[in-house]
Amino acid sequence: DAKTTQPTSMDCAEGRAANLPCNHSTISGNEYVYWYRQIHSQGPQYIIHGLKNNETNEMASLIITEDRKSSTLILPHATLRDTAVYYCIVRVAGNTPLVFGKGTRLSVIA
Amino acid sequence: DAGITQSPRYKITETGRQVTLMCHQTWSHSYMFWYRQDLGHGLRLIYYSAAADITDKGEVPDGYVVSRSKTENFPLTLESATRSQTSVYFCASSLAGAGDEQFFGPGTRLTVL
Repeated sequence: DAKTTQPTSMDCAEGRAANLPCNHSTISGNEYVYWYRQIHSQGPQYIIHGLKNNETNEMASLIITEDRKSSTLILPHATLRDTAVYYCIVRVAGNTPLVFGKGTRLSVIA
Repeated sequence: DAGITQSPRYKITETGRQVTLMCHQTWSHSYMFWYRQDLGHGLRLIYYSAAADITDKGEVPDGYVVSRSKTENFPLTLESATRSQTSVYFCASSLAGAGDEQFFGPGTRLTVL
């Protein structure tokens, strides 16, 4: 059963911030939130992960609510190359396999 | 080149034939994974391996065999291919411990006629 709920699709204008929401209301205390994306015909690519604090790297920011029941992935300045399916995955850290849901198809529009 | 590679990238075979998909990584990652991706099902785990000679079943292992005699290789064999195994197959690897980001290969598109 899916542990996360994401919108099926979203659009974003090029150059604007893309905010991708994810609900994970049943998350356990030792589970992290991971984000991967899959550009058409390619293998998935890791973006970022976090436990309870907000995280930022060169690709994106991850904002996790205080109750940890939801999170938002932020791509600060979306480009056409960010068009992809984005997967929010909840799992225990430590090399456990990834369980993919349907993800959110983000279309960045010029 | 360093990284994770899969071969072949495309394969067409017939029902009942044996097919082996290769996966090779140059990072000496302990963990390796095989996923399949079908329309309407997303990515599903077939098998994974924590180290050489250690393998475990995933969500959809039936009809597949894996081996891990060397850390860098993780071949996936379809012993008697069926049409339902037509799919895109992705291999991934990760370093043991913290920072367990999985790195995915480019995929093998398999068609079983």
